Parts: sequence; C-alpha cells; structure tokens
Amino acid sequence: GESVGLHLPTLSVQEGDNSIINCAYSNSASDYFIWYKQESGKGPQFIIDIRSNMDKRQGQRVTVLLNKTVKHLSLQIAATQPGDSAVYFCAENIKGGSYIPTFGRGTSLIVHP
Amino acid sequence: DVKVTQSSRYLVKRTGEKVFLECVQDMDHENMFWYRQDPGLGLRLIYFSYDVKMKEKGDIPEGYSVSREKKERFSLILESASTNQTSMYLCASSLFPGSSPLHFGNGTRLTVT
Repeated sequence: GESVGLHLPTLSVQEGDNSIINCAYSNSASDYFIWYKQESGKGPQFIIDIRSNMDKRQGQRVTVLLNKTVKHLSLQIAATQPGDSAVYFCAENIKGGSYIPTFGRGTSLIVHP
Repeated sequence: DVKVTQSSRYLVKRTGEKVFLECVQDMDHENMFWYRQDPGLGLRLIYFSYDVKMKEKGDIPEGYSVSREKKERFSLILESASTNQTSMYLCASSLFPGSSPLHFGNGTRLTVT
C-alpha cells in the first residue's frame, strides 16, 4: 500500500548548522501534511503544517517545503540548537478518505554542541 | 492549549490480564485516536473515534477494543494482554484531522510480562 517514508533514519549536525529532514510520500491524493517533533519521554508535538496548494511555509526557525511533482516533503531547521535534538515525524492526510493521518517511521536528529 | 492526558505513564501487567488505558482531552474535540509506537515502526493506528459511541478500526486492531462513552474520554482495552503488546501507547485528539494537527498525550509505556 502507499505510505509515508523517510530517507534518513538519523541525522547528526553541529550546533548552529541548518538541518534538513526529508520525507517521501506516494499518495498523490494527499492534501495536508504535518511535521511533528517527539522529545524523549513525550508525545509528538506539532511543529508546522502545509496544504497541497502551497509549496512553502515558514515558522519560527522552521520551513516546510512541498514538492508535489516528486512527492517530497522536507523540514528545514535554521541554526539548529541542542534543544532541537528529537525524533521528527512527517504525516500525510489523504483527501477524500477518512482523513486519518499516516505517519512516517521518523528520523532522529542529533545536535552536537 | 489542548491538553491530552493519559492516566498512566508506566504500567506493568501479566499475560492474560485485561488492561485499560485511559485518555482524556479538554478541548471538546470530536476526534480521538489510539496509536502504538515501536522502535523502527513509527506510529501505527489501533482505533479511532469520530464521535461518542462511534469507533473505527485502524491498521492494527487485533487484540484491542475501545470505548467512547463521553466526548472527552477514549479508552483502549487489551482484552487479554500478551507480551507482543508491550509497547508505548499514544492517545491523540483533533478538531478536524483532515485540516488540523493531532494533539498527543505523553504516552503510556506498557510492559506485559
């Protein structure tokens, strides 16, 4: 079946660097995408979302890019800080269905001071 | 801020026991979800509910049931716990899952011995 996946299970960066976490999706009917951050011992927390009628959306230090042509989603974190160390999940919602979000397996971001 | 509260952070149960995991949300969300999270497998949907007394199976409902008697409360039931149900269980709620993010509790770590 179609699913959301991540290219890199682990990403290590130095403090101050920019981080890019990638996500591939295969369902062309998906129209709403969300990034979550999960810190150790906590549930996933919403970071940023984007709808399929947009290519880019910016938040505080984070940017999500959506490329519908190649079905690719990325999360960019500017000036990465140790507090950004966490597991990041992308999720997609499929238009026309029951709108149940499908999650990727997650990628671990490790920020070295 | 939406608050999703899971009644237990850690539970240890014996094989064959009936287990209840409780979840309460305080934002009057109609939609509630139960996921389990296992290393390398991400979040997998067990059951969800769009309204009181309404329930729908997710991707892995076998061995589980749910109860939604009140809007704010969604309970996950393991009828006869088995060791392969040892996992992190996450509850979530959402206003409109097709266009708004999920709000997660901090999870219940269940160990079945």
